[in-house]
Amino acid sequence: AQSVAQPEDQVNVAEGNPLTVKCTYSVSGNPYLFWYVQYPNRGLQFLLKYITGDNLVKGSYGFEAEFNKSQTSFHLKKPSALVSDSALYFCAVRGSSGGSYIPTFGRGTSLIVHP
Amino acid sequence: EPEVTQTPSHQVTQMGQEVILRCVPISNHLYFYWYRQILGQKVEFLVSFYNNEISEKSEIFDDQFSVERPDGSNFTLKIRSTKLEDSAMYFCASSLLRGTSGGTSTDTQYFGPGTRLTVL
Repeated sequence: AQSVAQPEDQVNVAEGNPLTVKCTYSVSGNPYLFWYVQYPNRGLQFLLKYITGDNLVKGSYGFEAEFNKSQTSFHLKKPSALVSDSALYFCAVRGSSGGSYIPTFGRGTSLIVHP
Repeated sequence: EPEVTQTPSHQVTQMGQEVILRCVPISNHLYFYWYRQILGQKVEFLVSFYNNEISEKSEIFDDQFSVERPDGSNFTLKIRSTKLEDSAMYFCASSLLRGTSGGTSTDTQYFGPGTRLTVL
């Protein structure tokens, strides 16, 4: 069975500082990994994904994520946080072959960026 | 940019009543999904739909739930007899395809804004 862990319920960071939102996963075979963001009263918005290739994936709004196979991690990063980045962030994973094509989501991490 | 839309944004119903949640997926997408998110909890998969039939469903998606694509644009989730524990945010999503093509994933799911269902 595939699973995702987001170990932090909340991450606090000052505006202008770098941010990291952590995600680790478990899946059979090679993973497909996704990050979504959810603003208040809105649906999930796709940020970025890792399928294959470079371990560093760049996505929307200046976010990037680094795939680390040995640590089974896919942490979301941004060099300089904005107050407007404050939202709920979800990591998701699914296997790349056979079985279900449905991603499993983590519990979400609330990012709070302070002015 | 095309987007998934959902109506209503908020639905309040009495326990035991039937509700229908509506979604309009992105027009050229072929796969459709319903997820739910109970307040403060993670997003949970309910069902996926392709070619006018269910392709996958979770254990949450029991006989009280059904999905339909009644015309070329709408995708609906029906709950026949709502329970208190059905109160949640329900998200519709769609994707162009389900798997990969030429090494590039085409299965990114795009989500609607959600319908908040409150069962009293």
